[in-house]
Amino acid sequence: EPEVTQTPSHQVTQMGQEVILRCVPISNHLYFYWYRQILGQKVEFLVSFYNNEISEKSEIFDDQFSVERPDGSNFTLKIRSTKLEDSAMYFCASSVSRPTEAFFGQGTRLTVV
Amino acid sequence: ELKVEQNPLFLSMQEGKNYTIYCNYSTTSDRLYWYRQDPGKSLESLFVLLSNGAVKQEGRLMASLDTKARLSTLHITAAVHDLSATYFCAVDMYSGGGADGLTFGKGTHLIIQP
Repeated sequence: EPEVTQTPSHQVTQMGQEVILRCVPISNHLYFYWYRQILGQKVEFLVSFYNNEISEKSEIFDDQFSVERPDGSNFTLKIRSTKLEDSAMYFCASSVSRPTEAFFGQGTRLTVV
Repeated sequence: ELKVEQNPLFLSMQEGKNYTIYCNYSTTSDRLYWYRQDPGKSLESLFVLLSNGAVKQEGRLMASLDTKARLSTLHITAAVHDLSATYFCAVDMYSGGGADGLTFGKGTHLIIQP
């Protein structure tokens, strides 16, 4: 069964460093998303991406965040200068169209120290 | 701004008992999801509810949607320990001309004791 895959599963980084979280969406999907879940809290929408551009972003997705689809398979989330409060689980999701169900990856746990 | 409220946020129950988790949302939507999350894991899709009056069942779980009341319920019948997890509802505003992305409730942390 096709699935969304994310790498790495866990990343530890020092405050102020740049990190790139990677996702491979399901191959025939056209809509891509990043969500964040701070430990013990709810899942929060960060950004949606379609046709090589951001279609929507939340207030959380400020200038330190960026997304990119560098090739036909990967979808990345870059955090330019990490802060302690960026520590969270980051989930990538994809859907074939809108509105249809999005499928979530297994997540990347980001720890900023 | 769409608000999604779940209750209870924490539920401890005994095996064999029945219980219901409630999900209220503040703005019109006709698409609602229920997810299960085990500790440190991803979101497992349980149900997709697409219209008013939708009811879906899988094993001991049954979900329903009342779009007029802006309420969804997740009912657990004869609970077993394996159902212990955190359950999230999530509302999709896109088809109503609203924002993209899902808005999640805070989750219900369910513990089922033998």
